[in-house]
Amino acid sequence: EVQLVESGGGLVQPGGSLRLSCAASGFTFSSSAMHWVRQAPGKGLEYVSAITNSGGSTFYANSVKGRFTISRDNSKNTLSLQMGSLRAEDTAVYYCARISVSGWYDYWGQGTLVTVSS
Amino acid sequence: EIVLTQSPATLSLSPGERATLSCRASQSVSSYLAWYQQKPGQAPRLVIHDASNRATGIPARFSGSGSGTDFTLTISSLEPEDFAVYYCQQRSDWPRTFGQGTKLEIK
Repeated sequence: EVQLVESGGGLVQPGGSLRLSCAASGFTFSSSAMHWVRQAPGKGLEYVSAITNSGGSTFYANSVKGRFTISRDNSKNTLSLQMGSLRAEDTAVYYCARISVSGWYDYWGQGTLVTVSS
Repeated sequence: EIVLTQSPATLSLSPGERATLSCRASQSVSSYLAWYQQKPGQAPRLVIHDASNRATGIPARFSGSGSGTDFTLTISSLEPEDFAVYYCQQRSDWPRTFGQGTKLEIK
């Protein structure tokens, strides 16, 4: 059974940093591209960042470029998102999601809440 | 970036009725469009991919159509568990984008 479990969310002050993790199991992690998608309270879904299966290429939404860094450790089946210079508008539930062979988000974690507030 | 506009924002229907949800792209996405269902407190679930292909485990009452810029998700006869928010999403170009969602509520 495919499982994605996020952790690392919490309350952080504006300008602060936070590192999110996503532990993957039930599939060959090193074969799948992975994304982070977020959802602000009561709002819609927003793509944040993506990484290829090998980790060789990364992609970012303009809203987080230069502040967030996506990475993965295929030996530990773990996806990470290092978040810096956090702003109030980064407050959201952050989901990690697997990309299927056909290119879609076929499995999602349960999400971890990040709250940026003083 | 490609903007996806969903309509209506809210759709109020009764169980057993037919639901038609629309998604319009600001430029062609070919058939690279998916639909996701999200219930309160849950992660999204893939319903339709590549415009018209049902995801694994999705009932046959769900169907998708369209290509280019105009897409439709149809639920032929609503079941109580179908009431949720539905999002369309494109993977034709970076950044990946989602529509703002259509809330399907019980009338």
